[in-house]
Amino acid sequence: RKEVEQDPGPFNVPEGATVAFNCTYSNSASQSFFWYRQDCRKEPKLLMSVYSSGNEDGRFTAQLNRASQYISLLIRDSKLSDSATYLCVVTGNQFYFGTGTSLTVIP
Amino acid sequence: EPEVTQTPSHQVTQMGQEVILRCVPISNHLYFYWYRQILGQKVEFLVSFYNNEISEKSEIFDDQFSVERPDGSNFTLKIRSTKLEDSAMYFCASAPTGLAPGELFFGEGSRLTVL
Repeated sequence: RKEVEQDPGPFNVPEGATVAFNCTYSNSASQSFFWYRQDCRKEPKLLMSVYSSGNEDGRFTAQLNRASQYISLLIRDSKLSDSATYLCVVTGNQFYFGTGTSLTVIP
Repeated sequence: EPEVTQTPSHQVTQMGQEVILRCVPISNHLYFYWYRQILGQKVEFLVSFYNNEISEKSEIFDDQFSVERPDGSNFTLKIRSTKLEDSAMYFCASAPTGLAPGELFFGEGSRLTVL
């Protein structure tokens, strides 16, 4: 069973749209949760940590549901520059990465 | 802003050759990692390193791989006898703390092409 599972997409959305990504994890003892962003052929970069109470950073909102072992990322008012792969990351014995969800924002 | 640096950015090698990938983590970080990403696939954990020893390694990190922190600043990944399937982007990462609530800072990666 994979530690972290994500819908790979691709998601193709128009500018200004709202898009949501989901991620599930298998280890109920996982302690920390993150969303990373990876541009094509570049290194992953931290987008935001995910806290139990949910957290928001501008147009980005992350939610954690420990009971369902589920993490989400909501992007509002999508911009062209949001086009990237979004990686769900969960810690267990080390950092486990999901396969990533590809987003393309279309003009 | 402090950053993780990696060299070389791209290396082409013949199958069976040894390769050393180098990383300079952020100076006050204590935890170091190597990940790899085969083109079009997920980021895969190879190894973590803390207090001058391996703390965790994956099934991928077999006997052909080794890591070293030879001089307190560099963190190297050696692949002893490269195979075609070792072709990938290799990312070094460092973190100031461990898994919780740690954040990984990645270098730009070293692309390895094995012919």
